[in-house]
Amino acid sequence: DIVMTQGALPNPVPSGESVSITCRSSKSLLYSDGKTYLNWYLQRPGQSPQLLIYWMSTRASGVSDRFSGSGSGTDFTLKISGVEAEDVGVYYCQQGLEFPRTFGAGTKLELK
Amino acid sequence: EVQLVESGGGLVQPGRSLKLSCVASGFTFSNYGMNWIRQAPGKGLEWVAYISSGSSYIYYAETVKGRFTISRDNAKNTLYLQMTSLRSEDTALYYCARGQLTSFAYWGQGTLVTVSS
Repeated sequence: DIVMTQGALPNPVPSGESVSITCRSSKSLLYSDGKTYLNWYLQRPGQSPQLLIYWMSTRASGVSDRFSGSGSGTDFTLKISGVEAEDVGVYYCQQGLEFPRTFGAGTKLELK
Repeated sequence: EVQLVESGGGLVQPGRSLKLSCVASGFTFSNYGMNWIRQAPGKGLEWVAYISSGSSYIYYAETVKGRFTISRDNAKNTLYLQMTSLRSEDTALYYCARGQLTSFAYWGQGTLVTVSS
C-alpha cells in the first residue's frame, strides 16, 4: 500500500499569515498520462471533508484561489495564502493512483 | 445540488451484522463510481470500499475484506455496505463519497456505527 506522510504546522497560526502543509508518498504518484494523482481535503470541525485540490494542483469547483497545490512525484505542498478563520480544521492528503486509496494522518490548522 | 444521505448506523454487538445505505440525488448516480470511507472517533480518514458505476469493479481495504460487501442499486440511486462479523475497531462514522476521477468530490454527513457489547 502507498503510505502518505504529512507534516505538522506550528500552531496556532496568526490570521493573515501564509502556511504550507507538506505531504510525502512512499511511491511516485505521477502516472503515464502526465497527471499526478494527489488530492487535498479540508475537514472543518464537525463537518464532512471537502475536496480542495485534485491532480496535485487543480482547485476543485468553488475553492478559493488562496489555496494552491504543488509538488513532484512524491513530495507535495498545499499552500494557504493569508489564513482566515474559515480555514481552521484538519487537512488530509490522499493518493488516487491505486487501490487501496490511502490518506495521510492529517494536519491540524489552528488560528491565533 | 448533489446530495448523499447515509443511514443504517447504530449500536451493534461484536460479531453481529449491519447494513448501511446511502441515497444519492442531484446527479446521474449510474454514471459514477462510489466509495465508503470511515472515520473512527477522533481519528483520521480510512477508505473502506469502492464500486464502479456498473458494479464491474469492486475493491476493499484489507481491514474489511471478507467481512464487508459493497453494492449498489442504480434504479434506486442507492449505495449499500453490508457489514458482518463486526469488531470494536469498526466503530466509526461511515461516509459515502462520490468518486470524481480518483478523488472524493462529494461526501455525505455520515452514519455512526458503534460496535460494543
